[in-house]
Amino acid sequence: DQQVKQNSPSLSVQEGRISILNCDYTNSMFDYFLWYKKYPAEGPTFLISISSIKDKNEDGRFTVFLNKSAKHLSLHIVPSQPGDSAVYFCAASLSNAGNMLTFGGGTRLMVKP
Amino acid sequence: NAGVMQNPRHLVRRRGQEARLRCSPMKGHSHVYWYRQLPEEGLKFMVYLQKENIIDESGMPKERFSAEFPKEGPSILRIQQVVRGDSAAYFCASSPGTAKNIQYFGAGTRLSVL
Repeated sequence: DQQVKQNSPSLSVQEGRISILNCDYTNSMFDYFLWYKKYPAEGPTFLISISSIKDKNEDGRFTVFLNKSAKHLSLHIVPSQPGDSAVYFCAASLSNAGNMLTFGGGTRLMVKP
Repeated sequence: NAGVMQNPRHLVRRRGQEARLRCSPMKGHSHVYWYRQLPEEGLKFMVYLQKENIIDESGMPKERFSAEFPKEGPSILRIQQVVRGDSAAYFCASSPGTAKNIQYFGAGTRLSVL
């Protein structure tokens, strides 16, 4: 039973354009959402997060949008750079249940020069 | 300010041997989480520990797996009598335990069972 899903296993984008990565969840009790970036043979690196009381959070080139009614969040990267090529994981947590993260399966982003 | 340190980075074991994976959290972090990633999959929660206490082990297999986070020293994930299906990347994460739960990950230990 996958509570967090990333339905696109891969995404290819031209350098300078916008990358949009999507994530859906089923558990309406999740109250904190995070995006991580992962290079091969390395651990996930925290990118950006959003609390369920907000619908948008922005940090430089990265913006996360949360649509609670649709149980959907997305990560926008603009402009995309070749160094952004990596696997991106969305994750969700419950602050009153230990905060362990439930991860999606990941989306491999390729930014072409 | 060192990040989360995991060792070894790579571990090769034969079936039936024991595997010990170590994790030192970031300075000032008292919460440790272990996750496992099978090939081509996302990370799956295994266990959540605070100093000297297991808080949640709902993701741990019932047999052969154990974890500890002693008062002094790193957190240890122990896998006894390893089988080929245990081959995976094991990641440790730590957090300061505040409400804003950003977990910071180590580079992982890649376990290969021959």
